[in-house]
This record gives sequence, C-alpha cells and structure tokens, in this order.
Amino acid sequence: GENVEQHPSTLSVQEGDSAVIKCTYSDSASNYFPWYKQELGKGPQLIIDIRSNVGEKKDQRIAVTLNKTAKHFSLHITETQPEDSAVYFCAASFESGGSYIPTFGRGTSLIVHP
Amino acid sequence: EAQVTQNPRYLITVTGKKLTVTCSQNMNHEYMSWYRQDPGLGLRQIYYSMNVEVTDKGDVPEGYKVSRKEKRNFPLILESPSPNQTSLYFCASSFLGTGVKNIQYFGAGTRLSVL
Repeated sequence: GENVEQHPSTLSVQEGDSAVIKCTYSDSASNYFPWYKQELGKGPQLIIDIRSNVGEKKDQRIAVTLNKTAKHFSLHITETQPEDSAVYFCAASFESGGSYIPTFGRGTSLIVHP
Repeated sequence: EAQVTQNPRYLITVTGKKLTVTCSQNMNHEYMSWYRQDPGLGLRQIYYSMNVEVTDKGDVPEGYKVSRKEKRNFPLILESPSPNQTSLYFCASSFLGTGVKNIQYFGAGTRLSVL
C-alpha cells in the first residue's frame, strides 16, 4: 500500500519568514495530493491540493509543488503570520471510479512566533 | 451549511462499557471514514465506507465496529473499550468518482478517554 513520509514534525519560524513542509510517497499510481490544516480544537480542513498532471499550484501565500519522478511534494507558505500556526497534514491518494483510500503523513506542527 | 457532525465531542468512560460515537453528513457524500489521531502518529484510518452497506477495514480496525445503514450516517462502535483506545477521533466524508475531487470534510472531533 501507499506510504507517506512527512518532514519536519515540528517547524518553528519567525513571523514574515517562509515555511516549507515536505512529503514523499511510495506508490507511483497516486495522482491526487491534498494538504490539510488543523487548528487547535478543530478537524483538518483542506487548504490546497494538486493533481499529478500539474507541477505547481499557488493560492495567495500558499503554494504546493509536485515532483512525480522523485515522488515528493511540498507545501510552501510565504510571509508567515501567527494565524498560520497549526498542524499541517499532507496526503496521497489514487482517484478512480470506485477506489479512494487516502494515506496521510504524520503531520507537521508549525509555530509562527510574532 | 455543509458539515460533518460528530457526537459527543467529549466522552469519558470506563473499560468494557459499550459506546457509540455518531457521525452524520449533509452533503450526500458516498465515502465516509473514521480516523484516530494520536501524538506523533498523525491520522490513522480505522474503517471506511464507499457507500450504504459497504464498509472495509482501515489500518487500525481492532476493537472497533461500524455500520452504514443510511448514506448520511456512519457510527463508530466500541463494544468493549480499553484504555489504549483513548484518543481523538475524527469522522470524514467525501464524494467518490473519476474526475471528482476527493476532498475530505472532517468533523470537529471526539475526544475519548477510557479509564
């Protein structure tokens, strides 16, 4: 089955700095890679996603890159703000007509210091 | 408002006392799933369901049961809870199908303590 490794487990940055979280996956058939943000006391929420036919996607201060050959994808947050502090999860899955079992990374706790 | 509702949010129980955590979604999603979240281990899938009456084991199914009698509901049952099932539990749901974004919507979580 799929295996997703996520690093680092904890990331501490100063407000305004950039933050990068990296994930690798094992199953070359995986074609959908979402990122979720979990704020304290809440369930994870999708913040950005990318499909395997795209190499990069950006949404304001957040961007995701995908390297299919190396089987890794990364989340980039620029100009970090204290409200970016949360746990971030990457995931990988294979979208098909009837099969969908996402595999999550173990999460990265991002702390943004004012 | 589109949402996944879990109840209860907090539960303290004793070893061996059967309990059920309910999950309901109002988005007509085919796929529903239960996860447990433990420090350092991330989200681990317990059970999932592709549609009504179709359920399957995830990575950590031991000690849990589920049912999917209706599309909107997916209860998690602990027949005889043990202390190692103390955890934070999340229910999630999504659409299925080719070309459909399999975005998962999560409930707010149920924090369970088994004494």
